[in-house]
Parts: sequence; structure tokens; C-alpha cells
Amino acid sequence: RKEVEQDPGPFNVPEGATVAFNCTYSNSASQSFFWYRQDCRKEPKLLMSVYSSGNEDGRFTAQLNRASQYISLLIRDSKLSDSATYLCVVNMDRRYGGSQGNLIFGKGTKLSVKP
Amino acid sequence: DTGVSQNPRHKITKRGQNVTFRCDPISEHNRLYWYRQTLGQGPEFLTYFQNEAQLEKSRLLSDRFSAERPKGSFSTLEIQRTEQGDSAMYLCASSSLASGGFYEQYFGPGTRLTVT
Repeated sequence: RKEVEQDPGPFNVPEGATVAFNCTYSNSASQSFFWYRQDCRKEPKLLMSVYSSGNEDGRFTAQLNRASQYISLLIRDSKLSDSATYLCVVNMDRRYGGSQGNLIFGKGTKLSVKP
Repeated sequence: DTGVSQNPRHKITKRGQNVTFRCDPISEHNRLYWYRQTLGQGPEFLTYFQNEAQLEKSRLLSDRFSAERPKGSFSTLEIQRTEQGDSAMYLCASSSLASGGFYEQYFGPGTRLTVT
């Protein structure tokens, strides 16, 4: 089983739609969680860190369910500029065999927002 | 621009040649990371530094790969005797401790390596 799994998509949605991405992780010792976005042939950019209680930043809401080892990202009122690949990322604490250096990335979910 | 910078942005080399990439992190960040990304995959961790100390290396980092951060500022990644399988985007990131108590990593634009 892969450490971080995401639906590869693509998700094709009209402008203004609400879209949700899901991600599961295999190691219960995972401690930190992030969503990055990556445009074609560009570097990943940090979109949100995911806090235990869930957090919101404008049109973006991230949720974490540790019991189910599941992370989600909700985008409301999609814009054309939201078209990108969204990467789910986890990090394990060193005490559990991980490292604060080692981010583990999913393969990403591609989003295409159409006019 | 105070973000992470990487040079060169593109490198084409013949198989068997050595290449070296440079990364300049965000100035106040003491941690620096190297990743590799191939098409259709997420970035894969290679190694990271805290100041000048190399704290972890992935098993992906074969003996042909070496990374340094001699003064705790910029870092170099060298690949010796390049192979076609080394063709990838090499990403550098740096980080600081966020208010949530964990490190948030910020990536540079990457160096795209093509081995012919």
C-alpha cells in the first residue's frame, strides 16, 4: 500500500463549482499534514498546513481525520486560476521512524476548472 | 525576490558526465532539503540539512550523489557519472518552524536535468 494515496483525477469542473479532494495515508505515526498545489512544470507551492481541528483559508477548507487516516481539501467557488495539481503531503515524527525532513507526497490530483 | 533560488534552471548533459546544482534557501531558514520529481509523480525526498549538518539521506541517494552545505547557507547537489535514469526535476526547499509547531517547506523553481 502506498504511503499517501490520492485520486489522480482529472477533476473537470465548471467555474463556481465546489470540489473536494480526498487523501489517505498509511502510517498512523504521521504527524504533520499539508496541501500543496503544483502548476504544470512549476515547483510545488504550499497551499495550507492542516491542523487537527481543521482549518479554513478563504475558499479553501482542510480537514483531518486521524482515526480514519484521511485528509480532505474543499475548494468553494472554483476559479479558472485554481486549475493545477493538488498534492497531499504528510510528515512523520522522528520518534516513529520518520523525520522532520522527509515529506511524503502523494502523486497529486489534477483539477481543471472550465469557463 | 527572497524565495528559494536554484541554478541552473535547465541542464542537458551526456551520460557519464558530472553535474552540479546550486540552491540558495530563504535567508532565515536553517533547514534545507533536496527532492527529485519525475513526470506524473510527487517529489521524492533525497536529503536534508540543518545548518551545515546533513541529518538524513534517502536510499534513493546512491553513491553517485553527494550534497553539501558547507557554511550553512547555500547547498550544492552533485551527480557523478550521470545515467539516463537521473533525468528529472531536482527541487530544493527550505523551512522554518511554523506557529503550528512543525516545519513548513518552501520550494525553489527546480533544476530540470536531461541526460542524453
